[in-house]
Amino acid sequence: QQQVKQSPQSLIVQKGGISIINCAYENTAFDYFPWYQQFPGKGPALLIAIRPDVSEKKEGRFTISFNKSAKQFSLHIMDSQPGDSATYFCAGGRGSNYKLTFGKGTLLTVNP
Amino acid sequence: ETGVTQTPRHLVMGMTNKKSLKCEQHLGHNAMYWYKQSAKKPLELMFVYNFKEQTENNSVPSRFSPECPNSSHLFLHLHTLQPEDSALYLCASSQEGAGGANVLTFGAGSRLTVL
Repeated sequence: QQQVKQSPQSLIVQKGGISIINCAYENTAFDYFPWYQQFPGKGPALLIAIRPDVSEKKEGRFTISFNKSAKQFSLHIMDSQPGDSATYFCAGGRGSNYKLTFGKGTLLTVNP
Repeated sequence: ETGVTQTPRHLVMGMTNKKSLKCEQHLGHNAMYWYKQSAKKPLELMFVYNFKEQTENNSVPSRFSPECPNSSHLFLHLHTLQPEDSALYLCASSQEGAGGANVLTFGAGSRLTVL
């Protein structure tokens, strides 16, 4: 089965620091790479997504960096805040196709 | 009610019980999904319904039985489960064929414990 490998499993960052989560995919047919954010007791929610025709996408403090040749992409959270503490999932998929392949998730803790 | 609503939020059942999980979406989406979330594992897609028709059964054991009576409601019927089936079961919906990316809207999940 085509996988999306996510690292690290957990991450602790001080307030104001940069959080970086990495993902690698195998399926070269993927053309859509979303990140989902999940708070305790809630379902995952779409945070930001990128298509492989661009190398970077930024929305506020959140940036996706994409390296098509390496089949890797990463989420950068600038000026991390305690409210960013959550589990983050990367995923890969094909356009509007219903099937997303998720990574195992990264538990981010931002200390005050 | 808005978004995707799941009930019950918590469920404890014995291995011989029969129970059901319910999901309702208020977004006008045409596709609904069941995912299984276990600790330290990727989200596992179980079933997909598109316009009420099941389009995906991801090799799920028959002790899990989905039902989609209309495009707003989705059920997961449970019977003779095993302790390893204990997990968070997430329902999601999306709008298929909208010409854009498939954005899933998840419910808060039903936490299932099998004794």
